[in-house]
Amino acid sequence: DGGITQSPKYLFRKEGQNVTLSCEQNLNHDAMYWYRQDPGQGLRLIYYSQIVNDFQKGDIAEGYSVSREKKESFPLTVTSAQKNPTAFYLCASSIGSGRNSPLHFGNGTRLTVT
Amino acid sequence: AQKVTQAQTEISVVEKEDVTLDCVYETRDTTYYLFWYKQPPSGELVFLIRRNSFDEQNEISGRYSWNFQKSTSSFNFTITASQVVDSAVYFCALSEADYNQGGKLIFGQGTELSVKP
Repeated sequence: DGGITQSPKYLFRKEGQNVTLSCEQNLNHDAMYWYRQDPGQGLRLIYYSQIVNDFQKGDIAEGYSVSREKKESFPLTVTSAQKNPTAFYLCASSIGSGRNSPLHFGNGTRLTVT
Repeated sequence: AQKVTQAQTEISVVEKEDVTLDCVYETRDTTYYLFWYKQPPSGELVFLIRRNSFDEQNEISGRYSWNFQKSTSSFNFTITASQVVDSAVYFCALSEADYNQGGKLIFGQGTELSVKP
């Protein structure tokens, strides 16, 4: 079955450490996205990538970094510069990057930084 | 500026009741798309429906129906004869320009629906 795999499901880190969240898709989608979800809030866009080796900042990119070396993979690094990293992170993909393209989401990674 | 408002933070109903989730949006564009997603306790968001701004026909899919009204900038979602499995957080979202034109998907805050047996 095609889909998006995020790992791990739960992640715990000490403050000051960088941490990388994995996102892999086998849907052959061109575009991939990272969203952050906080309690009682909608999803906010961190980064997105329309093609391999290219990505753009979303609304809340500060303190995060990404890479897109392969079409299937779009890892997100939460750096120590991110002031409030504890959140639920969702990876998504879509066939194209047009406004009418529905997003397909992974199960998410819940990151807790203490 | 584009904005999506889901005024109902939480809704609780008893099984078999009908329930409507409200979504109001703001946009200056004449061409846009509206979406509804469901987030069950497992965490992943599941795509439910997409509607473009030129198609105001209501849509029904089983127990789900959607009422799109441009005059009131609303795209409401009704679940008929609700079931416990409908318990989830539901998000309404708006998309204007394509991503390669600087566009993005704007989500509402979500409505948490709890259906009790």
